[in-house]
Amino acid sequence: QVQLQESGPRLVKPSETLSLTCTVSGASISTYYWSWIRQPAGKGLEWIGRIYSSGDTNHNPSLKSRVTMSVDTSKNQSSLKLRSVTAADTAVYYCARGPMTAVTADLDYWGQGTLVTVSS
Amino acid sequence: QSVLTQPPSASGTPGQGVTISCSGAGSNIGSNTVSWYQQLPGTAPKLLIYNNNKRPSGVPDRFSGSKSGTSASLAISGLQSEDEADYYCAAWDDSLNRNVVFGGGTKLTVL
Repeated sequence: QVQLQESGPRLVKPSETLSLTCTVSGASISTYYWSWIRQPAGKGLEWIGRIYSSGDTNHNPSLKSRVTMSVDTSKNQSSLKLRSVTAADTAVYYCARGPMTAVTADLDYWGQGTLVTVSS
Repeated sequence: QSVLTQPPSASGTPGQGVTISCSGAGSNIGSNTVSWYQQLPGTAPKLLIYNNNKRPSGVPDRFSGSKSGTSASLAISGLQSEDEADYYCAAWDDSLNRNVVFGGGTKLTVL
């Protein structure tokens, strides 16, 4: 079955760059869109963006200037970089598969999420 | 402030039915499909409803979705204690910045 696993540093200093990787098994990274979503403690979900293996991306406008997403087809991985982080970026970060078209919000497989804390 | 509006809380007793609303705009719910997610405590969200009213394999038919205009609803019948969770609606937004938008979430308590 399809499984996603987020990995990366759990603690990032303010003003530095948050970097996470999503390793996918059971599906090809090349044939789907892959999204990043975050959730601050006790708060709701916030979509960060999605990427296709071709490089096509869509972003949350509130984060677009600080976000870079990429795909490594050789490793079946998607990556997220969020620059110039502050305490407000502290959250559980999820990767998920989809959405596959620009008329849906279907994210059918999710990773377990990883808590990233921004603190000095 | 979420783009889609949901009530922060809902409740019901076992066996009862409950409905959670989700209000949006023409650029999101009004022109695209709605998805619903269930997030049990301490776990990742799970796709519950897609394409307004379709259930992924394994989701009980006690869960149903509907959409009308710029609003959508999630109905849960025959409430069970394991339904206690946070529920989120989501839709693609076609405004200037094309992106997925979520509701703020509704915490369902089974009394």
